Amino acid sequence: AQSVSQHNHHVILSEAASLELGCNYSYGGTVNLFWYVQYPGQHLQLLLKYFSGDPLVKGIKGFEAEFIKSKFSFNLRKPSVQWSDTAEYFCAVNWNNNAGNMLTFGGGTRLMVKP
Amino acid sequence: NAGVTQTPKFQVLKTGQSMTLQCAQDMNHEYMSWYRQDPGMGLRLIHYSVGAGITDQGEVPNGYNVSRSTTEDFPLRLLSAAPSQTSVYFCASSLDGSSTDTQYFGPGTRLTVL
Repeated sequence: AQSVSQHNHHVILSEAASLELGCNYSYGGTVNLFWYVQYPGQHLQLLLKYFSGDPLVKGIKGFEAEFIKSKFSFNLRKPSVQWSDTAEYFCAVNWNNNAGNMLTFGGGTRLMVKP
Repeated sequence: NAGVTQTPKFQVLKTGQSMTLQCAQDMNHEYMSWYRQDPGMGLRLIHYSVGAGITDQGEVPNGYNVSRSTTEDFPLRLLSAAPSQTSVYFCASSLDGSSTDTQYFGPGTRLTVL
Protein backbone atom coordinates (compact mmCIF):
# COMPACT_ATOMS: atom_id res chain seq x y z
CA ALA A 1 0.00 0.00 0.00
CA GLN A 2 1.14 3.52 -0.72
CA SER A 3 2.18 5.40 2.38
CA VAL A 4 3.53 8.71 3.59
CA SER A 5 5.92 8.96 6.53
CA GLN A 6 6.70 11.93 8.68
CA HIS A 7 9.45 10.83 11.02
CA ASN A 8 9.34 13.74 13.44
CA HIS A 9 6.17 13.65 15.49
CA HIS A 10 7.04 16.56 17.76
CA VAL A 11 9.53 19.35 17.17
CA ILE A 12 10.34 22.15 19.59
CA LEU A 13 12.33 25.14 18.38
CA SER A 14 13.18 28.60 19.60
CA GLU A 15 12.23 31.61 17.54
CA ALA A 16 14.66 32.36 14.69
CA ALA A 17 15.82 28.75 14.53
CA SER A 18 15.78 26.99 11.17
CA LEU A 19 13.19 24.33 10.48
CA GLU A 20 13.24 21.19 8.40
CA LEU A 21 10.42 18.65 8.57
CA GLY A 22 10.90 15.36 6.82
CA CYS A 23 8.41 13.67 4.51
CA ASN A 24 8.96 10.44 2.62
CA TYR A 25 6.54 8.51 0.47
CA SER A 26 6.49 5.02 -0.88
CA TYR A 27 7.38 4.35 -4.48
CA GLY A 28 4.48 4.38 -6.89
CA GLY A 29 5.15 6.42 -9.98
CA THR A 30 4.33 10.05 -10.63
CA VAL A 31 3.26 11.98 -7.57
CA ASN A 32 1.69 15.27 -6.62
CA LEU A 33 2.92 16.56 -3.28
CA PHE A 34 1.34 18.86 -0.71
CA TRP A 35 2.06 20.33 2.68
CA TYR A 36 -0.92 21.38 4.77
CA VAL A 37 -0.82 23.25 8.06
CA GLN A 38 -3.28 23.22 10.93
CA TYR A 39 -2.95 26.12 13.36
CA PRO A 40 -4.37 25.58 16.85
CA GLY A 41 -8.15 25.52 16.73
CA GLN A 42 -8.27 26.02 12.98
CA HIS A 43 -8.89 23.84 9.97
CA LEU A 44 -6.23 22.56 7.60
CA GLN A 45 -5.01 24.91 4.93
CA LEU A 46 -2.62 24.52 2.05
CA LEU A 47 0.96 25.65 2.65
CA LEU A 48 2.44 24.68 -0.71
CA LYS A 49 2.27 22.06 -3.43
CA TYR A 50 4.42 20.52 -6.14
CA PHE A 51 3.33 18.94 -9.40
CA SER A 52 6.18 19.39 -11.84
CA GLY A 53 9.00 21.71 -12.86
CA ASP A 54 11.40 23.31 -10.40
CA PRO A 55 11.71 20.87 -7.50
CA LEU A 56 12.15 23.73 -5.04
CA VAL A 57 8.69 25.08 -4.28
CA LYS A 58 7.94 28.24 -2.35
CA GLY A 59 4.76 28.57 -0.36
CA ILE A 60 3.09 31.02 1.97
CA LYS A 61 4.65 32.54 5.08
CA GLY A 62 8.25 31.91 4.00
CA PHE A 63 7.98 28.14 3.76
CA GLU A 64 9.57 26.13 1.00
CA ALA A 65 9.88 22.46 0.16
CA GLU A 66 12.23 20.46 -2.02
CA PHE A 67 11.18 17.44 -4.02
CA ILE A 68 14.00 14.92 -4.30
CA LYS A 69 12.77 12.18 -6.58
CA SER A 70 15.66 9.80 -5.93
CA LYS A 71 14.97 9.90 -2.19
CA PHE A 72 11.16 9.90 -2.45
CA SER A 73 11.20 12.93 -0.20
CA PHE A 74 9.48 16.30 0.03
CA ASN A 75 10.94 18.04 3.06
CA LEU A 76 9.53 21.30 4.35
CA ARG A 77 11.89 24.10 5.36
CA LYS A 78 11.85 27.57 6.80
CA PRO A 79 15.05 29.53 7.50
CA SER A 80 13.78 31.32 10.60
CA VAL A 81 10.64 30.25 12.47
CA GLN A 82 8.31 32.51 14.40
CA TRP A 83 6.11 31.82 17.39
CA SER A 84 3.12 32.05 15.04
CA ASP A 85 4.39 28.99 13.16
CA THR A 86 3.33 26.81 16.07
CA ALA A 87 1.01 24.32 14.38
CA GLU A 88 0.70 20.79 13.12
CA TYR A 89 2.10 20.13 9.67
CA PHE A 90 0.91 17.40 7.36
CA CYS A 91 2.59 16.08 4.25
CA ALA A 92 0.19 14.60 1.69
CA VAL A 93 0.70 12.73 -1.55
CA ASN A 94 -1.58 12.02 -4.47
CA TRP A 95 -0.33 9.36 -6.83
CA ASN A 96 -1.30 10.04 -10.43
CA ASN A 97 -2.46 6.50 -10.90
CA ASN A 98 -5.15 6.93 -8.27
CA ALA A 99 -8.78 7.01 -9.20
CA GLY A 100 -10.05 10.33 -8.03
CA ASN A 101 -8.37 12.72 -5.70
CA MET A 102 -7.35 10.34 -2.92
CA LEU A 103 -4.81 12.17 -0.86
CA THR A 104 -2.73 10.07 1.50
CA PHE A 105 -1.57 11.97 4.54
CA GLY A 106 1.41 11.47 6.76
CA GLY A 107 0.93 11.23 10.51
CA GLY A 108 1.69 14.89 11.07
CA THR A 109 4.43 16.81 12.87
CA ARG A 110 3.49 19.00 15.77
CA LEU A 111 5.76 22.06 15.88
CA MET A 112 6.06 24.22 18.95
CA VAL A 113 8.04 27.45 18.67
CA LYS A 114 9.14 28.97 21.95
CA PRO A 115 9.16 32.75 22.08
CA ASN B 1 -18.02 32.65 0.19
CA ALA B 2 -18.35 30.70 3.41
CA GLY B 3 -16.15 27.93 1.98
CA VAL B 4 -16.66 24.54 3.60
CA THR B 5 -18.91 24.48 6.65
CA GLN B 6 -19.53 21.65 9.07
CA THR B 7 -22.06 21.10 11.83
CA PRO B 8 -22.00 20.35 14.67
CA LYS B 9 -18.60 21.41 16.02
CA PHE B 10 -18.80 19.03 18.95
CA GLN B 11 -20.90 15.94 19.60
CA VAL B 12 -21.06 13.29 22.29
CA LEU B 13 -22.83 10.03 21.52
CA LYS B 14 -23.51 6.83 23.37
CA THR B 15 -22.54 3.52 21.83
CA GLY B 16 -25.19 2.41 19.37
CA GLN B 17 -26.65 5.83 18.70
CA SER B 18 -26.84 7.18 15.19
CA MET B 19 -26.16 10.66 13.89
CA THR B 20 -25.38 12.66 10.78
CA LEU B 21 -22.48 15.04 10.39
CA GLN B 22 -23.34 17.82 8.01
CA CYS B 23 -21.01 19.30 5.40
CA ALA B 24 -21.74 21.99 2.85
CA GLN B 25 -19.68 24.03 0.39
CA ASP B 26 -20.60 27.08 -1.64
CA MET B 27 -17.72 27.02 -4.13
CA ASN B 28 -19.49 24.82 -6.70
CA HIS B 29 -16.89 22.12 -6.20
CA GLU B 30 -17.57 18.76 -7.74
CA TYR B 31 -15.35 16.73 -5.42
CA MET B 32 -16.10 16.31 -1.72
CA SER B 33 -14.65 14.00 0.85
CA TRP B 34 -14.67 13.02 4.52
CA TYR B 35 -11.58 12.35 6.60
CA ARG B 36 -11.04 11.35 10.17
CA GLN B 37 -8.06 12.64 12.11
CA ASP B 38 -6.56 10.56 14.88
CA PRO B 39 -3.38 11.34 16.84
CA GLY B 40 -0.25 10.16 15.07
CA MET B 41 -2.20 8.81 12.11
CA GLY B 42 -2.77 11.95 10.11
CA LEU B 43 -5.98 12.13 8.12
CA ARG B 44 -7.57 9.03 6.67
CA LEU B 45 -10.12 9.12 3.89
CA ILE B 46 -13.53 7.69 4.78
CA HIS B 47 -15.67 8.33 1.70
CA TYR B 48 -15.55 10.65 -1.25
CA SER B 49 -17.77 11.90 -4.05
CA VAL B 50 -16.82 13.12 -7.51
CA GLY B 51 -20.21 14.69 -8.14
CA ALA B 52 -23.88 14.63 -7.23
CA GLY B 53 -25.18 11.08 -7.15
CA ILE B 54 -21.70 9.50 -7.12
CA THR B 55 -19.93 8.27 -4.01
CA ASP B 56 -17.14 5.82 -3.31
CA GLN B 57 -15.26 4.34 -0.39
CA GLY B 58 -11.95 5.58 0.88
CA GLU B 59 -9.44 3.95 3.17
CA VAL B 60 -11.63 3.49 6.26
CA PRO B 61 -15.31 3.33 5.20
CA ASN B 62 -16.67 0.77 7.65
CA GLY B 63 -19.37 2.10 9.95
CA TYR B 64 -20.06 5.16 7.82
CA ASN B 65 -22.51 5.96 5.05
CA VAL B 66 -22.66 8.92 2.69
CA SER B 67 -24.91 10.29 -0.01
CA ARG B 68 -24.60 13.21 -2.42
CA SER B 69 -27.98 14.42 -3.58
CA THR B 70 -26.77 17.94 -4.37
CA THR B 71 -23.46 19.50 -5.37
CA GLU B 72 -23.39 21.54 -2.17
CA ASP B 73 -24.04 18.93 0.52
CA PHE B 74 -22.24 15.78 1.56
CA PRO B 75 -23.51 14.38 4.88
CA LEU B 76 -21.74 11.59 6.75
CA ARG B 77 -23.90 9.13 8.67
CA LEU B 78 -22.91 6.96 11.57
CA LEU B 79 -25.51 4.23 11.79
CA SER B 80 -24.48 2.72 15.12
CA ALA B 81 -21.71 4.65 16.82
CA ALA B 82 -18.80 2.81 18.41
CA PRO B 83 -16.03 4.11 20.71
CA SER B 84 -13.55 3.45 17.89
CA GLN B 85 -15.26 6.24 15.96
CA THR B 86 -14.19 8.82 18.50
CA SER B 87 -12.22 11.21 16.34
CA VAL B 88 -12.15 14.59 14.66
CA TYR B 89 -13.94 14.55 11.33
CA PHE B 90 -13.06 16.88 8.49
CA CYS B 91 -14.98 17.48 5.33
CA ALA B 92 -13.09 18.77 2.29
CA SER B 93 -13.90 19.85 -1.20
CA SER B 94 -11.98 20.55 -4.39
CA LEU B 95 -12.83 21.80 -7.83
CA ASP B 96 -12.97 18.68 -9.94
CA GLY B 97 -11.17 15.91 -8.11
CA SER B 98 -8.05 15.91 -10.24
CA SER B 99 -4.88 14.73 -8.55
CA THR B 100 -3.42 18.24 -8.63
CA ASP B 101 -6.40 19.88 -6.97
CA THR B 102 -6.04 21.79 -3.73
CA GLN B 103 -8.48 20.57 -1.13
CA TYR B 104 -10.33 23.03 1.08
CA PHE B 105 -11.15 21.80 4.53
CA GLY B 106 -13.98 22.57 6.90
CA PRO B 107 -13.43 23.44 10.57
CA GLY B 108 -14.02 19.89 11.77
CA THR B 109 -16.42 18.05 14.07
CA ARG B 110 -15.04 16.60 17.29
CA LEU B 111 -16.99 13.42 18.05
CA THR B 112 -16.80 11.43 21.27
CA VAL B 113 -18.52 8.06 21.55
CA LEU B 114 -18.96 6.79 25.09
